[in-house]
Amino acid sequence: QVQLQESGPGLVKPSETLSLTCAVSGYSISSGYYWGWIRQPPGKGLEWIGNIYHSGSTYYNPSLMSRVTISVDTSKNQFSLRLSSVTAADTAVYYCARRGLGSWYFDPWGRGTLVTVSS
Amino acid sequence: QSALTQPASVSGSPGQSITISCTGTSSDVGAYNYVSWYQHHPGKAPKLMIYDVSKGPSGISNRFSGSKSGNTASLTISGLQAEDEADYYCSSYTRSSTVVFGGGTKLTVL
Repeated sequence: QVQLQESGPGLVKPSETLSLTCAVSGYSISSGYYWGWIRQPPGKGLEWIGNIYHSGSTYYNPSLMSRVTISVDTSKNQFSLRLSSVTAADTAVYYCARRGLGSWYFDPWGRGTLVTVSS
Repeated sequence: QSALTQPASVSGSPGQSITISCTGTSSDVGAYNYVSWYQHHPGKAPKLMIYDVSKGPSGISNRFSGSKSGNTASLTISGLQAEDEADYYCSSYTRSSTVVFGGGTKLTVL
């Protein structure tokens, strides 16, 4: 059974860089699939951030592209998110998920981690 | 990219059927059969309920079904149960090689 677990600081200061990691268990990232990040600001809907393949190929949300970097570490079986120059608008629950093979759905998801941007 | 449009809330009584709509454009919902639906209980991981418009993942009750007509996709839940009360989100692949989600629909089981 594939499981994903997000981790990282719960509080980030404005203008700094948000960094999160998603640890994958029950499946080897290097075996395939795309892996992604999605977020949900308080009281709002879901927003796709981007996907990465084990080879490093990426797709990003154009609205975040200038600030986002998603990377993969196959040796640790995890992938990471970096979001630079954060503001209060980046406060959200951040989820990691596996993208469906040959399709564009996400399954499974991690339980999410709340990141608050505040000084 | 604009979010897909979903009703903010729907409700139904146990045993009834409800339908949640998800309206996009010819650049997303109308362009591909890559519409998926997620059930989200607050504090838990979102759960895939339908993918590729109408396919049900293994382990998901067949009370959940999906369809699409033009730029609008729909999720129907039949035989409503108390445990179905949750937030539901649709998503679609887009012509820009991105993913867009709906704003979410809160389902209340009366």
